[in-house]
Amino acid sequence: GENVEQHPSTLSVQEGDSAVIKCTYSDSASNYFPWYKQELGKRPQLIIDIRSNVGEKKDQRIAVTLNKTAKHFSLHITETQPEDSAVYFCAASDSSGGYNKLIFGAGTRLAVHP
Amino acid sequence: NAGVTQTPKFQVLKTGQSMTLQCAQDMNHNSMYWYRQDPGMGLRLIYYSASEGTTDKGEVPNGYNVSRLNKREFSLRLESAAPSQTSVYFCASSVEMNTEAFFGQGTRLTVV
Repeated sequence: GENVEQHPSTLSVQEGDSAVIKCTYSDSASNYFPWYKQELGKRPQLIIDIRSNVGEKKDQRIAVTLNKTAKHFSLHITETQPEDSAVYFCAASDSSGGYNKLIFGAGTRLAVHP
Repeated sequence: NAGVTQTPKFQVLKTGQSMTLQCAQDMNHNSMYWYRQDPGMGLRLIYYSASEGTTDKGEVPNGYNVSRLNKREFSLRLESAAPSQTSVYFCASSVEMNTEAFFGQGTRLTVV
């Protein structure tokens, strides 16, 4: 089955700096890579996703890049703001067993300091 | 439109007790999931239901059972709770497998 590793586990930046979170996956058949944001005490919510037929996707201050050859993908947040402080999870699809289900990384706790 | 609703929000069980976590979605989604969230371990898939009438094991199914009651409802049962099952449980749903998952608000379960 799929194995997703996420780094770093914690990240601290100054407001206005950029933040980058990286994930690697093991299943070469994976074709869907979403990123979720979870604020303290809240439910995870999708912030951006990418499918395997594209290499990059951008939505305002956030972007995701995918390198299928190396089996890794990254989340980039530019011009960070205090409200970006949260735990971020990457996920990759796992096709074993006949259905594509999401396997999550362990999460990155991002702190943005004013 | 409530999205994904879980009950209860909090629960304390004694070791060996049983309970069922309820989940319902009103988005007409085909696929539903149960995850558990533990510190430093992310979200781990317990069971999923690709469509009404089917259920399958995820990464950590031992000690749990599920029922896809109808298209809207997907319940998770702990037959004999153990302290290792202390966790936050999230139900989620999606239009179909491999699409955006929408999460419920979570159930914080403590087994003593």
